[in-house]
Amino acid sequence: DVKVTQSSRYLVKRTGEKVFLECVQDMDHENMFWYRQDPGLGLRLIYFSYDVKMKEKGDIPEGYSVSREKKERFSLILESASTNQTSMYLCASSLVLWRGTSTDTQYFGPGTRLTVL
Amino acid sequence: AQSVAQPEDQVNVAEGNPLTVKCTYSVSGNPYLFWYVQYPNRGLQFLLKYITGDNLVKGSYGFEAEFNKSQTSFHLKKPSALVSDSALYFCAVRDILRGRGSTLGRLYFGRGTQLTVWP
Repeated sequence: DVKVTQSSRYLVKRTGEKVFLECVQDMDHENMFWYRQDPGLGLRLIYFSYDVKMKEKGDIPEGYSVSREKKERFSLILESASTNQTSMYLCASSLVLWRGTSTDTQYFGPGTRLTVL
Repeated sequence: AQSVAQPEDQVNVAEGNPLTVKCTYSVSGNPYLFWYVQYPNRGLQFLLKYITGDNLVKGSYGFEAEFNKSQTSFHLKKPSALVSDSALYFCAVRDILRGRGSTLGRLYFGRGTQLTVWP
């Protein structure tokens, strides 16, 4: 079974703090994604990565950055947390398309519920 | 751009009755469609997907989805609902991204439908 883990289930931070959200997958997936989930808005893509040290902006990258130093780990960074970044953050991973067995299915972690006060 | 719509924010059904959660899509090219489920305070779990082939796709936990090209729909169904099916359901469509040196699929999600099954 694919396993995607996230470092914290719940996190409370103060405005202006630098926040690190960590995600680790154990299935040798090339692609990793960060989403935020808000009621009524569904999931919105923040950043994704298709290889170590490679990153691409998603739909709502403002106020966020990412780091992918190792294949299994993808970190989301809030440089200066603000109250409008209070949300559920979900990490996901998937295989590259050119792999014969790739099905494009994304596998999700349990999520981190971040509250910024 | 690819997109999906889930027209119902909430669906309520009695246990034992059939359930349907609706999804319509808008794509250029062939649609690759997915359903995910999210239980309270959990991440999303993959239920099923349509890539090509039979219009009726079977997935986990007794769920199935019917792909209808003429109606651009991909509704999720189950013949007999369980209380434990109560959760948030997301429809998604894949788009292909060709980045620097790689090709990958990204998903566009609907806003979600809260399914409540009462005893």
